[in-house]
This record gives sequence, structure tokens and C-alpha cells, in this order.
Amino acid sequence: EVQLVQSGAEVKKPGESLTISCQGSGYSFPNYWIAWVRQMSGKGLEWMGSIYPGDSDTKYSPSFQGQVTISADKSLNTAYLQWTSLKASDTAMYYCARAYSAKYLRFDYWGQGTLVSVSS
Amino acid sequence: DIQLTQSPSFLSASVGDRVTITCRASQGISNYLAWYQQKPGKAPKLLIYAASTLQGGVPSRFSGSGSGTEFILTISSLQPEDFATYYCQQLNSYPWTFGQGTKVEIQ
Repeated sequence: EVQLVQSGAEVKKPGESLTISCQGSGYSFPNYWIAWVRQMSGKGLEWMGSIYPGDSDTKYSPSFQGQVTISADKSLNTAYLQWTSLKASDTAMYYCARAYSAKYLRFDYWGQGTLVSVSS
Repeated sequence: DIQLTQSPSFLSASVGDRVTITCRASQGISNYLAWYQQKPGKAPKLLIYAASTLQGGVPSRFSGSGSGTEFILTISSLQPEDFATYYCQQLNSYPWTFGQGTKVEIQ
């Protein structure tokens, strides 16, 4: 069974650093893109970027380029989303999803989400 | 960037109703479009990909159509468990983008 399990909720202060994780199981983790998606409270879905764990090829949305870093450790079947200096505006739910492609891409499995709260 | 505009943003419907949601792309995306359902407090769930292909396990009352710039998600007979927010997503080109969502509520 394919599963993506994300790390737990985080409460941080502005300026702090943070890394959240997404561990895949039940499939060949290195061979599928992992996407990160932001959802601010009461708002829609925003694609942040994606990584191919097999070779760490990474794509970022221009909206998030330079604001976050996406990485992966294929030996641990885990992808990461990292901030070096959080802002209050980073408060949101963050989802990881597997981007499956057999000709047509789609996000077929999702993690349960990680809630990040940033407040002084 | 390719913009996706869903209409309506909100709709009120009754159990048994036929519901249609439109997603318009700012430029042609062939059929590289997916639809997701999200219930409160839950992760999104894939319903349809390649504009019209039903994801495994999704009830057949859901269907998708369209190509190019206009796409439609249809629920043929709305069920109580279908009350949720629906999003379209284009995967034709980076950056991948989502529509703003359509919230389906009980009338």
C-alpha cells in the first residue's frame, strides 16, 4: 500500500529555521516525483515545487523559489521542505504528494499534511 | 504562468442533483488536467486525470471532459459524501497551477 507520512505539527517563531519531512512507503520512492503543496487557512492549493529523489532534480514555483529548499534522501525514502528564516506568512498546512506519470501526470497519493504555525 | 479559473466558486445543491463545475485555462493545456476533491481537515483526493480518466476507486457518478482551455467536472447525482471543495490542476507546464476551488454545499 502506497503511503506518504508527514512529520508532526510545528509551532515556531519568526526568524527560526524549520525542516518538515515526508516519508514514502509501499512503492519505489526514488522513481517518482514528490511535490509540496501549501494551503493557507481557508484558501486554495498552491504548488511549491517538486523533487525527483532518484537524482534530486528539483523544480520550484517562481512564487517559492528562494523562499524554501526542497531536498530528498532516497536511502531514507524521505523528502524534506526547509525554511531558513520563517515568517508569519508561512503559517499554513503543507502537504506532500506523489506525482505519478504514466504519460499523464497526477498527484495520486497525498500525505496527511503538516501544520506549521509561525507566531511571535 | 497558466491561470486556471473555476466557476462557480460556490454552489449550493441538493442530494440527487446533477452538478457541473467548469475550469478554464488561460492558454491551451491539451488534456493535462486533473481534478481533486478536498473535505474539511483532509488532504485532497485525486478524482480524475488526463481530463477524463477516472482514478481507480472513484465512483462512476464523477466524470470529466474537455480539452484545450475548457474543462468540466460533472457529478451525475450528488451524494451526501460529495459535499466538499473541488480543485482543478494543470500539469501541462511549469509552474503547475491549481484553480481557486469550487465549494459544493448542501442546499
